Amino acid sequence: KAGVTQTPRYLIKTRGQQVTLSCSPISGHRSVSWYQQTPGQGLQFLFEYFSETQRNKGNFPGRFSGRQFSNSRSEMNVSTLELGDSALYLCASSLARLTNTGELFFGEGSRLTVL
Amino acid sequence: SQQGEEDPQALSIQEGENATMNCSYKTSINNLQWYRQNSGRGLVHLILIRSNEREKHSGRLRVTLDTSKKSSSLLITASRAADTASYFCATDLDLQGAQKLVFGQGTRLTINP
Repeated sequence: KAGVTQTPRYLIKTRGQQVTLSCSPISGHRSVSWYQQTPGQGLQFLFEYFSETQRNKGNFPGRFSGRQFSNSRSEMNVSTLELGDSALYLCASSLARLTNTGELFFGEGSRLTVL
Repeated sequence: SQQGEEDPQALSIQEGENATMNCSYKTSINNLQWYRQNSGRGLVHLILIRSNEREKHSGRLRVTLDTSKKSSSLLITASRAADTASYFCATDLDLQGAQKLVFGQGTRLTINP
């Protein structure tokens, strides 16, 4: 069974640009969660999607958005990039919603650098 | 502020020794999980312990949970160089009916050959 796939793995953007990151969950998993990881703040929860609906959202500005498609693949978008958005963005999938808080399966992440 | 906090922030030991990491949290939980992350990679689930469990084993891993003290510990026995990684505890946080998994800042473990 293929694991969680995130693309792209690395990308460099400049301030003010926008970026879209993609996540393909494990086959059969319907929940996709996104996390931002930085040295200063650690792992911060961004949002969770289940059955194409955002079920939960972390404390991030509206520049951070996401969506989930009918095949459970998810994308997250960050608009008007700021230097502080430089981070490793991790996607995780699970069989059920986070309300069941079972095991999360993580992708390798997308490392975003904002110049 | 973080729901879970690991202690110590960094730990360096010799191969073959045991490594113990601790996690403290603030609110009541349904379960607590431990994850490992190799440098710059994704996280890998190690073990989940439910709030009604006190101890759980998986191979060389032993996890304890003390809900009265709101703390957990992860013990890695007979450490190996391949155990070098960051270790995170994660707890479920219920915010107005919507739960999320909240991670601590992690313990960076270095195993010296």
